[in-house]
Amino acid sequence: DTAVSQTPKYLVTQMGNDKSIKCEQNLGHDTMYWYKQDSKKFLKIMFSYNNKELIINETVPNRFSPKSPDKAHLNLHINSLELGDSAVYFCASSQVLDSVYEQFFGPGTRLTVL
Amino acid sequence: ILNVEQSPQSLHVQEGDSTNFTCSFPSSNFYALHWYRWETAKSPEALFVMTLNGDEKKKGRISATLNTKEGYSYLYIKGSQPEDSATYLCASSNRDDKIIFGKGTRLHILP
Repeated sequence: DTAVSQTPKYLVTQMGNDKSIKCEQNLGHDTMYWYKQDSKKFLKIMFSYNNKELIINETVPNRFSPKSPDKAHLNLHINSLELGDSAVYFCASSQVLDSVYEQFFGPGTRLTVL
Repeated sequence: ILNVEQSPQSLHVQEGDSTNFTCSFPSSNFYALHWYRWETAKSPEALFVMTLNGDEKKKGRISATLNTKEGYSYLYIKGSQPEDSATYLCASSNRDDKIIFGKGTRLHILP
């Protein structure tokens, strides 16, 4: 019974391609997030959605577009992939949009751009 | 911009010994402090969330304290066990719900 799941787990693709990473949570949470773990192992927030509405949009290239079809799903679409996009991307969810509540993380998607 | 610093970056501790490490964060506009445990090849797992100055939380052999006035939190592990080997992440959020993670302290327990 995976609480927060991501697919695929690994993604290897050529520069210039467009790809999507999917995230689903079965916890009934209202808020979902995307994080990027960069080469220095930092976890940096990219986006957060609350009830399908974009709340946080950090300084992320507009090639990255999150889509939330419903509050249980938050997908990340990346256009024109670049070498620097190679990273591990983590999805997370929390009960409400309030950082007092703990976040539950997905297993991560390792994206490699060749 | 929030900066969350964790020290040390890496720590080797003999099994059975107790240890602690630090997370420092800007105290202005502070809202919440999170500790996560992150094992290799797994996803971060929440340990504690603290909001009030002087808060102290405990889960088994692991405890954490919070000083919001000076902007630091300590994580303590008593009687380290091999299963405690992991990276411990600290994250601080402000009242705009912006969450910033530190780089983590990588803990290795030596048998």
